[in-house]
Amino acid sequence: AQSVTQPDIHITVSEGASLELRCNYSYGATPYLFWYVQSPGQGLQLLLKYFSGDTLVQGIKGFEAEFKRSQSSFNLRKPSVHWSDAAEYFCAVGAGNNDMRFGAGTRLTVKP
Amino acid sequence: NAGVTQTPKFQVLKTGQSMTLQCAQDMNHEYMSWYRQDPGMGLRLIHYSVGAGITDQGEVPNGYNVSRSTTEDFPLRLLSAAPSQTSVYFCASSKGNTIYFGEGSWLTVV
Repeated sequence: AQSVTQPDIHITVSEGASLELRCNYSYGATPYLFWYVQSPGQGLQLLLKYFSGDTLVQGIKGFEAEFKRSQSSFNLRKPSVHWSDAAEYFCAVGAGNNDMRFGAGTRLTVKP
Repeated sequence: NAGVTQTPKFQVLKTGQSMTLQCAQDMNHEYMSWYRQDPGMGLRLIHYSVGAGITDQGEVPNGYNVSRSTTEDFPLRLLSAAPSQTSVYFCASSKGNTIYFGEGSWLTVV
């Protein structure tokens, strides 16, 4: 069965510093991979997705993620974090609408 | 663009009460779903629908009913609320493999 692990429950970074959020997955076939962001009191917004092709995908708000099949990972990165990036981030994996599995989330705090 | 609209945003229920969370989407998506979000557990699928008149169970369906009479609407019913159903509920619609979420409904059962 597919599963998603986000090893870091909470990460704190300084504004302007780089960011990497980890995501590891278990899936029996080539997965579709997603990163969502959730601001407090809001729904989930899609940051980026990987279906196939180039393993480095660009998303909105300056985020990118790299699919590494050998490591079963899909880590999210941003070169310079802004205070407005403080939110909760969810990694998800699946191959169909009713086949999605979400990680438990990583909460990002940005220090001024 | 409205997207996925959920109501109410906040609700407090007493144990044993019933209620319906409303969900509507204006993107003409065939696929709609309901998730619940609990601390440390991410989102879990409750029920989903692949089109009007068709619904099926997800990972955590117990205690919830759904129906899909139109493409636009997908209400979630709690027939007899329990404290274990205290959660944040998200309705979603999908095109292809990309899910679009509503803003959530915070439900507390006391």
